[in-house]
Amino acid sequence: DGGITQSPKYLFRKEGQNVTLSCEQNLNHDAMYWYRQDPGQGLRLIYYSQIVNDFQKGDIAEGYSVSREKKESFPLTVTSAQKNPTAFYLCASSQLAGASFGEQFFGPGTRLTVL
Amino acid sequence: QQQVKQSPQSLIVQKGGISIINCAYENTAFDYFPWYQQFPGKGPALLIAIRPDVSEKKEGRFTISFNKSAKQFSLHIMDSQPGDSATYFCAASTAGGYQKVTFGTGTKLQVIP
Repeated sequence: DGGITQSPKYLFRKEGQNVTLSCEQNLNHDAMYWYRQDPGQGLRLIYYSQIVNDFQKGDIAEGYSVSREKKESFPLTVTSAQKNPTAFYLCASSQLAGASFGEQFFGPGTRLTVL
Repeated sequence: QQQVKQSPQSLIVQKGGISIINCAYENTAFDYFPWYQQFPGKGPALLIAIRPDVSEKKEGRFTISFNKSAKQFSLHIMDSQPGDSATYFCAASTAGGYQKVTFGTGTKLQVIP
């Protein structure tokens, strides 16, 4: 069953801690993305990656870091430098060509709360 | 210029009625316009999408109307059902190897019996 998995579903962080959100896809997609979703706002792009070992900053990259060591995995680290990290985080992937070109497939999300 | 403006922010429709959500964009380089549906606590899922070479696309009860000259597009949900209650996002992107998608701010739809 192809798709995107994110873990954990809920995550609590104390002030000053770094936390890592997991994202795995078995769709064989080249591109992967991280978005942040806040109430009343659209999805804002944090980082994206088109290929293994390469990634680019999105619109709100400050306080976040990513890695892309494997095609199927794109973990996101929320660092202590992120001043307001409480949000719903969504991982997505897409093909860069082919029949479903243009469609982004989303994972179920991780809700991060800072205590 | 990258913004996609979506309205209304929230919408309440009677069961069987028509739900209409509107979006406008500025960047004429956009050439792919998807709508995503998101249920509470879940990730968005593609509902329907259109490219600017057509003015309308229909899939079941869902229709996208596209006005290239006005740079506007809208989602119509016919015979709205309580199960359609969700948040809907319009989006726009450009072709090419990497699809940077610009999302609207979302419309929370509630369909009441």
